[in-house]
Amino acid sequence: QKEVEQNSGPLSVPEGAIASLNCTYSDRGSQSFFWYRQYSGKSPELIMSIYSNGDKEDGRFTAQLNKASQYVSLLIRDSQPSDSATYLCAVSGGSYIPTFGRGTSLIVHP
Amino acid sequence: DTGVSQNPRHKITKRGQNVTFRCDPISEHNRLYWYRQTLGQGPEFLTYFQNEAQLEKSRLLSDRFSAERPKGSFSTLEIQRTEQGDSAMYLCASSQLGGLSGNTIYFGEGSWLTVV
Repeated sequence: QKEVEQNSGPLSVPEGAIASLNCTYSDRGSQSFFWYRQYSGKSPELIMSIYSNGDKEDGRFTAQLNKASQYVSLLIRDSQPSDSATYLCAVSGGSYIPTFGRGTSLIVHP
Repeated sequence: DTGVSQNPRHKITKRGQNVTFRCDPISEHNRLYWYRQTLGQGPEFLTYFQNEAQLEKSRLLSDRFSAERPKGSFSTLEIQRTEQGDSAMYLCASSQLGGLSGNTIYFGEGSWLTVV
């Protein structure tokens, strides 16, 4: 069974700090990796996708992938209170069906 | 608005009643997914379609659940004889088949179901 593990948190960081969110996955055949943000009562919104080892940057967000360690992370620089949400990690392989973790709750306090 | 559209957004129903949700995917997308999400959990896969063909169903999809996608356009998810355990947010998502980016799914706003 394919599993995606995330620490449920909450992760609390001060405004302006770097928030680091982590995710591990069990299926070595996974090819595509995603981070979604979900505000309370809303549906998930795609932040970033990453497909190859290394870092991928998009504005204040950086996704990092290490397939050998089966580990993917999301860094949020200059965290803002508006970043407070649940961050979902998702992983998919040849089946094109993303499997989601249970999410990490992030709280950015002023 | 060219995103994934779901309706109704909220549904309260009595236990034992049938409910149906509709999803209109992003127009050029040929894959359509249904997920279910309960409080404190990530989205759980239910089923997906490629065009009109239903290619995979999760064990979560009991025989009370049925999904269709006639003509490969919109999709419906019907739950018969609802139970309180069916209370959840039902999420529809779509993607465009092709390469690694074809794994990227985009969600609609979700349909909240409360069974009383």
